[in-house]
Amino acid sequence: AQSVSQHNHHVILSEAASLELGCNYSYGGTVNLFWYVQYPGQHLQLLLKYFSGDPLVKGIKGFEAEFIKSKFSFNLRKPSVQWSDTAEYFCAVTSGGSGTYKYIFGTGTRLKVLA
Amino acid sequence: KAGVTQTPRYLIKTRGQQVTLSCSPISGHRSVSWYQQTPGQGLQFLFEYFSETQRNKGNFPGRFSGRQFSNSRSEMNVSTLELGDSALYLCASSLAKGGVLSGRGNEQFFGPGTRLTVL
Repeated sequence: AQSVSQHNHHVILSEAASLELGCNYSYGGTVNLFWYVQYPGQHLQLLLKYFSGDPLVKGIKGFEAEFIKSKFSFNLRKPSVQWSDTAEYFCAVTSGGSGTYKYIFGTGTRLKVLA
Repeated sequence: KAGVTQTPRYLIKTRGQQVTLSCSPISGHRSVSWYQQTPGQGLQFLFEYFSETQRNKGNFPGRFSGRQFSNSRSEMNVSTLELGDSALYLCASSLAKGGVLSGRGNEQFFGPGTRLTVL
């Protein structure tokens, strides 16, 4: 069965520290990959997405992610986190055959950035 | 453009009752997906509707059902509520036109969710 694994459930960092959140998926076919963020009290919103082409994708607020096909990974990175990055981060993958698609989400990583 | 709206925002029900949640997608979006969000489980896919047809279904019991209307608004129904159904139910809409190329990768826009508590 298709699945998405986020190994870090809770991460605590100080401001200016670097961030890397792991995401691995299991699916042998073509996939599209996403990172969503949920700030406290807000809706889920898209951080970045990968469809094809350059495996290093850049998103909003200085986030980037690298798709490594051989490792089935799509890790999220940010060189220097801010207190405002405190949120829950979800990795997601879409797959599916002709005429259909569905999203599979990871269980999320709660990031707390200390000021 | 108005975002995805969900009503009601909060619901308290007792075991055995049924509940209907509503979702209005972004204007022009024809795909609506539903998710159940619980701590530790993340977002679990319930089902997706496109042009009034259910295109995909997750691994939930038949007590969970949904439908989509001609104006793309969608409803989700849960019958015979159980304590474990307490969760945040999220709706997401997308342009997703269907087909292998255009269906994949369409960004989903999420609503604020309906917080369901089953006592």
